[in-house]
Amino acid sequence: GIQVEQSPPDLILQEGANSTLRCNFSDSVNNLQWFHQNPWGQLINLFYIPSGTKQNGRLSATTVATERYSLLYISSSQTTDSGVYFCAGGTSYGKLTFGQGTILTVHP
Amino acid sequence: NAGVMQNPRHLVRRRGQEARLRCSPMKGHSHVYWYRQLPEEGLKFMVYLQKENIIDESGMPKERFSAEFPKEGPSILRIQQVVRGDSAAYFCASSPTTYGYTFGSGTRLTVV
Repeated sequence: GIQVEQSPPDLILQEGANSTLRCNFSDSVNNLQWFHQNPWGQLINLFYIPSGTKQNGRLSATTVATERYSLLYISSSQTTDSGVYFCAGGTSYGKLTFGQGTILTVHP
Repeated sequence: NAGVMQNPRHLVRRRGQEARLRCSPMKGHSHVYWYRQLPEEGLKFMVYLQKENIIDESGMPKERFSAEFPKEGPSILRIQQVVRGDSAAYFCASSPTTYGYTFGSGTRLTVV
């Protein structure tokens, strides 16, 4: 089956710092997505990024499909960025396998 | 355009009772997925449905759990004879195709 591994498991930052989260995934993944779960439990879709690079404000993501990894960059972090970041991979029909997540805490 | 609507947000059931969780997908979305999140864990796939069809139920426990997505109305995840181990957050997601998920706010089930 599909394997998705995320690192680091925990990350603590001061407001304003930058960070990089990593996701390694197994073969056959062609549907790679990043999600943010905020402290209230809501899941927000950040990026659908099977390959290439995308940017949305202070967040950007890059997936190198041939090397089976994806990176999520958070620049100038804010306290509202706190929460859990999930990487999830799937095959063509949409079922996703989630990683264990990276718990991000941003201190003011 | 409302997002994915799940209700109830919180549900408390005694052991042995039935739990019914509802999910209304976004307008125009015909793919519905259910995931379960146990405390301090990631999300685990349960079932993938399209209208009137179960496409993949490989993540559903073999007993007590069932799901449907009728021609009219919301998708329903049904848990019969709940046990304490069923306590979790249950998330529904919908998509217009096989990618581009939008999640609902989840239903937090507590079994007492």
